[in-house]
Parts: sequence; structure tokens; C-alpha cells
Amino acid sequence: NAGVMQNPRHLVRRRGQEARLRCSPMKGHSHVYWYRQLPEEGLKFMVYLQKENIIDESGMPKERFSAEFPKEGPSILRIQQVVRGDSAAYFCASSPQGPEETQYFGPGTRLLVL
Amino acid sequence: SQQGEEDPQALSIQEGENATMNCSYKTSINNLQWYRQNSGRGLVHLILIRSNEREKHSGRLRVTLDTSKKSSSLLITASRAADTASYFCGKIQGAQKLVFGQGTRLTINP
Repeated sequence: NAGVMQNPRHLVRRRGQEARLRCSPMKGHSHVYWYRQLPEEGLKFMVYLQKENIIDESGMPKERFSAEFPKEGPSILRIQQVVRGDSAAYFCASSPQGPEETQYFGPGTRLLVL
Repeated sequence: SQQGEEDPQALSIQEGENATMNCSYKTSINNLQWYRQNSGRGLVHLILIRSNEREKHSGRLRVTLDTSKKSSSLLITASRAADTASYFCGKIQGAQKLVFGQGTRLTINP
């Protein structure tokens, strides 16, 4: 049973470009979460999705950021018109049930905005 | 403010010694989760302790929970170099999201 997969592992973008981060949850998991981590800091919750629905997006900036978890395929975190401040590690996690149960994390995508 | 604040922020001990990390939180919880993060990697789940549990063990790990003090501790016994990592406690906020503190950076010196 493969773990949570994220790709790409590293992504370099210039200011103004778009970044697309993908997350394939563990098999059988219908709950997906995205977190952002700056160096030397903890993970900050961004968004919680459950198959085709956004359950909680309170941690996601209102502009330029969007997330989806379609019926088929991976979850996508999309950042439009990236700025240097978007440089961070973005982690995805999944769980078979809701957020109160164990979440399984992917290896992360490290985004660098030049 | 963040739930699940870890203390100390950094801890350096000799291999073989025990390491204790603490986590405090502000509002009531259903459970509290401890995770480990090795440098440059994702989080690995260690232990989930529910509000009606006081202590839980997993190998060399021992987690306690004191709901009256709104605190939890993670004890690693007989530490090894491979235990060097950051340790985070996570607590559910608003029933929808797992909130982490800044973590404790543990260094085990050979």
C-alpha cells in the first residue's frame, strides 16, 4: 500500500507564474489536507477537502490560491501569480476518516519562487 | 494563537539519555497527536492519545496527557542518533483542522 504521493518534489517558478502541486492520497482515503511550512517553523493548515468538496479552507489565502480534489485523480493545490513569499514546503496528508484521526503525510513539494 | 505549543523549542542530549518534550493547548480536545519530522521530510505519525486516556506507549515512546493542565508530554527513552528530528504535537481546532506548534528540535549527540 503506497503512501501519500506528492509531485513534483521540487518546483522552481518565477514571479508571476503558476504553480501546480499534486497529491495522491493513500488508497481508500477520501480526506485530504494541505499544509504549508516555512523554514524552522511548524506546519500551518491551509485546506481540508473530501472528495469533490472543500470542507475547510480557512487557512488558505483568499486570492491566488485554490484547491480541488476531483472524483478521479489527485488533489491539486494551485497558486497563481506566485510571489517570493510563496516559497515554502507544501505538505499533503490524507486520512480514511475525518481530521481527528491519524493523518498520513506525503514527502512534500518544495516551492522556490525566483 | 496556535494550539499545541511545544516546549522546549530545542533540546540537545547525549545518546542513551531520555528526552522529554511538552505540549500545551488552550481549549478542550478529543485527542492529541504527536508527529516526528526528519529534516527535509514529511511528518510521521507517532502516537494518538484520546482525551479519556492518560498514558500511551509505543516502543521507546511514552505519551502522557493531563487534561486538567491542558498539557501532554512525549518521552523518548534510551535515545539514539536516529531520533534526531523535530517533534510536533497536533490538536484539532474547530473540529476541522489539525493545528501544530513550532515543534521541538531534538538533537542526539553521539
